[in-house]
Amino acid sequence: SQTIHQWPATLVQPVGSPLSLECTVEGTSNPNLYWYRQAAGRGLQLLFYSVGIGQISSEVPQNLSASRPQDRQFILSSKKLLLSDSGFYLCAWTRGPSRQYFGPGTRLTVT
Amino acid sequence: KQEVTQIPAALSVPEGENLVLNCSFTDSAIYNLQWFRQDPGKGLTSLLLIQSSQREQTSGRLNASLDKSSGRSTLYIAASQPGDSATYLCAVLMDSNYQLIWGAGTKLIIKP
Repeated sequence: SQTIHQWPATLVQPVGSPLSLECTVEGTSNPNLYWYRQAAGRGLQLLFYSVGIGQISSEVPQNLSASRPQDRQFILSSKKLLLSDSGFYLCAWTRGPSRQYFGPGTRLTVT
Repeated sequence: KQEVTQIPAALSVPEGENLVLNCSFTDSAIYNLQWFRQDPGKGLTSLLLIQSSQREQTSGRLNASLDKSSGRSTLYIAASQPGDSATYLCAVLMDSNYQLIWGAGTKLIIKP
């Protein structure tokens, strides 16, 4: 069966510090991978998606970036965090136009 | 541009009631529609997926219907329980890409 992992589960970082969030998927190959952000009391915002290694599409211009160094690994990064980067970050995967499966999320608080 | 709307934004009902959550979309050229559940502070759980050619899908006490031509889907929850309390989100997948377009969700509270 397929599983999706995210870490860390929670993170508190000062403004201006770097960020690295990791997502890995097990039990499938060549998944489409997604990073979402959910701000407090708001809906899901798609940040990045990837259909293959090294292929990243950005939906929202911001100080965040994403990379996919391996088939089942998706990384969200920032060189300098802003207060507005606080939120709940969710990674998801799908195989083609089928159900989308989500990880447990990372709660990021920028102080 | 596709827009997905969920009504109501919040709903509180006593335990045992049957209830309906609504989802509407502006562009009927969808590939499929998915319903998800999110518990506070948790990730999303996929509940049901309805292909554009289907009219409904059922899983246990959940039944989702799709009227593609009118741009509407409903999630029917039978015999509601306090454990059903969560936020329910619908999302549509458009043809030609694998990006979901999301509704804002309905926050459901089932009172014991």
